[in-house]
Amino acid sequence: LAKTTQPISMDSYEGQEVNITCSHNNIATNDYITWYQQFPSQGPRFIIQGYKTKVTNEVASLFIPADRKSSTLSLPRVSLSDTAVYYCLVGDTAAGNKLTFGGGTRVLVKP
Amino acid sequence: DARVTQTPRHKVTEMGQEVTMRCQPILGHNTVFWYRQTMMQGLELLAYFRNRAPLDDSGMPKDRFSAEMPDATLATLKIQPSEPRDSAVYFCASGPGPFFYGYTFGSGTRLTVV
Repeated sequence: LAKTTQPISMDSYEGQEVNITCSHNNIATNDYITWYQQFPSQGPRFIIQGYKTKVTNEVASLFIPADRKSSTLSLPRVSLSDTAVYYCLVGDTAAGNKLTFGGGTRVLVKP
Repeated sequence: DARVTQTPRHKVTEMGQEVTMRCQPILGHNTVFWYRQTMMQGLELLAYFRNRAPLDDSGMPKDRFSAEMPDATLATLKIQPSEPRDSAVYFCASGPGPFFYGYTFGSGTRLTVV
């Protein structure tokens, strides 16, 4: 499984855009990139996935460069309720769909 | 929205007692995970199942932990005997199979062993 590296924490302010970059230098051809969000006292919540280029949904955008060795989760115009831990995961459906979490990025949104 | 249901939400028990945590995966989901979360270790994968068969339980202390899926609507995680170091939040998650579809987590069972 490809190892991921992401910043431990980030601070932001309401209304700003937050970008979290995850490095996955050893990503394999069959690997997909997914991001989860975890609020205090709750289980992680799947927010977005991608394979290459850009993916956007109602929550976030995911940018993946051509070499796929990194990805950036973009949260537009954050609010206080976006304060959470964000996890980047890389996995291969051929590897049995094993979902291994790293340390995540703790995002604190300030007023 | 469909949910993964975990019971109990909270459990306080004495060291040496048996603890059983239950999980009802989303109907139709064929992949089930058990995780443990602590401040020190973060989210640790304990075991996971596909179509009720255990695929990987290498993250689980075998001498005291056991995980089973008696049927497609129930997954259990048992600790016997429990120890204070088992205190953590235990999460169950289920998914329809492929990694990229994402998995749904339950609200967790907060276990305290005194």
